[in-house]
Amino acid sequence: DTAVSQTPKYLVTQMGNDKSIKCEQNLGHDTMYWYKQDSKKFLKIMFSYNNKELIINETVPNRFSPKSPDKAHLNLHINSLELGDSAVYFCASSPRASGSNEQYFGPGTRLTVT
Amino acid sequence: GQSLEQPSEVTAVEGAIVQINCTYQTSGFYGLSWYQQHDGGAPTFLSYNGLDGLEETGRFSSFLSRSDSYGYLLLQELQMKDSASYFCAVISGGSYIPTFGRGTSLIVHP
Repeated sequence: DTAVSQTPKYLVTQMGNDKSIKCEQNLGHDTMYWYKQDSKKFLKIMFSYNNKELIINETVPNRFSPKSPDKAHLNLHINSLELGDSAVYFCASSPRASGSNEQYFGPGTRLTVT
Repeated sequence: GQSLEQPSEVTAVEGAIVQINCTYQTSGFYGLSWYQQHDGGAPTFLSYNGLDGLEETGRFSSFLSRSDSYGYLLLQELQMKDSASYFCAVISGGSYIPTFGRGTSLIVHP
């Protein structure tokens, strides 16, 4: 009965590799997001999708590409990984982009680039 | 741009009351949310203030003053399990995407 799930939970890879993180929500929400949390716990929005359409694309290198095959899934593909990409990546969803816009976060994917 | 300020760390003892303050600067302010995150876990939503005043949810309360660009989270009857990071987040009209503060680490001692 997991609400927002992400795979993998841990990802260790070398610089220059390409990797993907998958996210699925079974809450029926229309909007999904990707956040990056750095080692100092700063949580920053990367992308926002509403019903499979990109709404927000913050200042993120174009090595990061989100893909939403349907409104329940939002995957994140990262090309040419760099050391600075090491962080925890959280997927989230919300029922509507209004009011409190309560975010439902997935468990996170800890990415380590060596 | 947007900026939020909250203390980096607060310590308290079990059973006490603690207040975590948050000041913000933003355009198009809509509301202020609070999230809790335990080490190794995901942020979870605690409360939201869209209007001035106090919102109470069990042991936790949140306050907002729009005129002062200020809010706080009040935790009562502290328990060890309340040790976590607490983030305030500004909601701005338009995108309604939360902009998070840098978090306050709350350490509860026995």
